[in-house]
Amino acid sequence: DSGVTQTPKHLITATGQRVTLRCSPRSGDLSVYWYQQSLDQGLQFLIQYYNGEERAKGNILERFSAQQFPDLHSELNLSSLELGDSALYFCASSVDIGAANTIYFGEGSWLTVV
Amino acid sequence: AQTVTQSQPEMSVQEAETVTLSCTYDTSESDYYLFWYKQPPSRQMILVIRQEAYKQQNATENRFSVNFQKAAKSFSLKISDSQLGDAAMYFCAYRGYKYIFGTGTRLKVLA
Repeated sequence: DSGVTQTPKHLITATGQRVTLRCSPRSGDLSVYWYQQSLDQGLQFLIQYYNGEERAKGNILERFSAQQFPDLHSELNLSSLELGDSALYFCASSVDIGAANTIYFGEGSWLTVV
Repeated sequence: AQTVTQSQPEMSVQEAETVTLSCTYDTSESDYYLFWYKQPPSRQMILVIRQEAYKQQNATENRFSVNFQKAAKSFSLKISDSQLGDAAMYFCAYRGYKYIFGTGTRLKVLA
């Protein structure tokens, strides 16, 4: 158990809908990362937050948005869903933004768009 | 921009034998770290080993060791005495300003 909690674990929704994925980082971790992993693909970096502020942005679609709240949990919002958005969405956390800090992954949220 | 390349989509190894997974990266940053993660069928991401770029000594964790060639920007993972439980996807990752992953190598372990 990495200490990073993601909910829901599985989600099935229809095209055009909107979903919210939630992540609670490890206790004491200030930085949260979101990754997308499509079937048999690598991990695509979406976005990173540090202590409530956006720090780095990757290949995140405009239909997707995220935020980190004062209690440090984070939410990833996916809207106008398409079939191609079906993937495993990982949240990860680290103590801070320094490169020396290992990031720890949650178990992921499986999203299936039908 | 930083990139991470894993050129071996799939590898096979006989149980108890040794296998090496390749990874190359490109960066202009001076301060960075390199990691190998294991992803078993459960899809959980498990940290295997990490290497600080400023350290010349190769990292080792039990049966797992790396061959870090900084000038060549190469970071390979050696798994000794392979076990059936080592079968998984292995991802090489670079951590500088961003945390970037390679496309992965699927390792099969043959009994």
